[in-house]
Amino acid sequence: QQQVKQSPQSLIVQKGGISIINCAYENTAFDYFPWYQQFPGKGPALLIAIRPDVSEKKEGRFTISFNKSAKQFSLHIMDSQPGDSATYFCAASMTRNYGQNFVFGPGTRLSVLP
Amino acid sequence: KAGVTQTPRYLIKTRGQQVTLSCSPISGHRSVSWYQQTPGQGLQFLFEYFSETQRNKGNFPGRFSGRQFSNSRSEMNVSTLELGDSALYLCASSFIAGSYNEQFFGPGTRLTVL
Repeated sequence: QQQVKQSPQSLIVQKGGISIINCAYENTAFDYFPWYQQFPGKGPALLIAIRPDVSEKKEGRFTISFNKSAKQFSLHIMDSQPGDSATYFCAASMTRNYGQNFVFGPGTRLSVLP
Repeated sequence: KAGVTQTPRYLIKTRGQQVTLSCSPISGHRSVSWYQQTPGQGLQFLFEYFSETQRNKGNFPGRFSGRQFSNSRSEMNVSTLELGDSALYLCASSFIAGSYNEQFFGPGTRLTVL
């Protein structure tokens, strides 16, 4: 119940295309859903995050769509660029004991072809 | 502002040894979390510290321990190393422990156990 499932495992997109990565969770106690981007040799960096009371959030070329009833959320990268080539992780967190415990998806390796 | 720093960046140990990893959070950040990242298991939460107190703990054996100092710097210790402990250990800091706080990750310490 603590798992976050993520698909696809890898994704190849042409420059200018749309990249879509999907995640699903089981535990309805999760109340914060961030997406992280990780380049080789670096730690993950927060891209965009959403709370369950919002169905969509957009920041630049990145959009999160959230479906609370289906317990699914997805990341859309519009106008994908070669510089977006990285590994993307979705995550879910619940607030407890005045702290947070993040559960991460297994990651999606995105390659954007020039 | 300087980011999260982790030392050392690379470490090679043998089975049975113990290791201590260090994390300096962003100035002003009081919450520090530790994660283990492996190709097989992905990113897994180890523990979170806030004001020198462990707030949350992941599902790892007691060989994994940590502490936080009054200046918010944190250390993680792994005793009796096993081959399976080879991983990238990531530290993340946030301003306060609580809901929806953005976590800033360090570059990680790459631990290899021979």
